[in-house]
Amino acid sequence: ILNVEQSPQSLHVQEGDSTNFTCSFPSSNFYALHWYRWETAKSPEALFVMTLNGDEKKKGRISATLNTKEGYSYLYIKGSQPEDSATYLCAFMGPGAGGGADGLTFGKGTHLIIQP
Amino acid sequence: DAGITQSPRHKVTETGTPVTLRCHQTENHRYMYWYRQDPGHGLRLIHYSYGVKDTDKGEVSDGYSVSRSKTEDFLLTLESATSSQTSVYFCAISRVDTDTQYFGPGTRLTVL
Repeated sequence: ILNVEQSPQSLHVQEGDSTNFTCSFPSSNFYALHWYRWETAKSPEALFVMTLNGDEKKKGRISATLNTKEGYSYLYIKGSQPEDSATYLCAFMGPGAGGGADGLTFGKGTHLIIQP
Repeated sequence: DAGITQSPRHKVTETGTPVTLRCHQTENHRYMYWYRQDPGHGLRLIHYSYGVKDTDKGEVSDGYSVSRSKTEDFLLTLESATSSQTSVYFCAISRVDTDTQYFGPGTRLTVL
């Protein structure tokens, strides 16, 4: 069983502040690292898929970095807004059956609450 | 939403009964997945499929079987449901060009 760890488990941030959280994953047999945003009673929504060491991705005020050699990724949110409140999941993808990518191994998520 | 539907969306059943959940996609994606979501565990992979009649086990496959006789449908079966299988079940597809997985709306299953 792969170990994908996210920290912190939960985070309270004032509106307007920037924040970041961590995902650590196995550095061997790496194929991709995914970030998802998950709001209560909805389905997880894909934010980024990162594959190369040193990758940086950005979507609006959210960005992510990847270090495959040491097995970690950071997610950053700049100028947090109430609508950023959600659980942020990272997921490790290894090479798998059929010549394609395997299913995802998820961390337990960071629950982010933005306080007005 | 990548054209993914799940049925039923909610189901209550009794211990020992068989249950089949259906995932249907309209975009001809090769890879399909079943996950379960439980408090304290996050999302865990049950089974996945990389083509018609090609399936493999995930992390928590005990007590579950799957079938994929057509590209568009991926069925998850609980042969004899137990209370520990009470959960929210998500189906997902993977776009091979981006490796991004897209999730269906989920099925809430309660086993009494």
